Amino acid sequence: DTGVSQNPRHKITKRGQNVTFRCDPISEHNRLYWYRQTLGQGPEFLTYFQNEAQLEKSRLLSDRFSAERPKGSFSTLEIQRTEQGDSAMYLCASSAGFVNEQFFGPGTRLTVL
Amino acid sequence: GEDVEQSLFLSVREGDSSVINCTYTDSSSTYLYWYKQEPGAGLQLLTYIFSNMDMKQDQRLTVLLNKKDKHLSLRIADTQTGDSAIYFCAVSAVSSGSARQLTFGSGTQLTVLP
Repeated sequence: DTGVSQNPRHKITKRGQNVTFRCDPISEHNRLYWYRQTLGQGPEFLTYFQNEAQLEKSRLLSDRFSAERPKGSFSTLEIQRTEQGDSAMYLCASSAGFVNEQFFGPGTRLTVL
Repeated sequence: GEDVEQSLFLSVREGDSSVINCTYTDSSSTYLYWYKQEPGAGLQLLTYIFSNMDMKQDQRLTVLLNKKDKHLSLRIADTQTGDSAIYFCAVSAVSSGSARQLTFGSGTQLTVLP
């Protein structure tokens, strides 16, 4: 399967702990996006990479959120000092080309107790 | 910023056509997309339309775009029980800059009744 993969699929953590999620995009895609989806809502954009460069990060929800894509392939999203309000589905998408069709991974569901 | 609105629920009988509607605010929206999300699954890209088009047909799916009214619709012909899912409208605008991130509606829950 050459789709977008995300790990872990589920993460349960206690408030105040740090968590890190990984996204592996479709191999030939140079663009990578992170979104967050809460119950009953559509995905909300967080940040964007073109190759290894993070070109848009103003939508990251707070300075507790950070993302990297060190070699322009996989990406990680880290949340420090998690809060209960961080509980959500975190989605990764990748794309390439002019039409910019974004293909999504299955997501990582975070539950903060 | 961009705002995308969808009605929350739609129920249809199996075999009928479904029409899911979406409105958006940013007139610079260039590409408009429809995604499907089934329980426990990720978002599946169904189709897209470019803003210089009025209509696009892809098998059982027909997308209509009214740029004047900023209205997008997705018609599913011969709706089947397997089409039951949440459908999201998403738009990408010039105003989003080089990121071209998607702005999503809240989704329409389609229920297909036997």
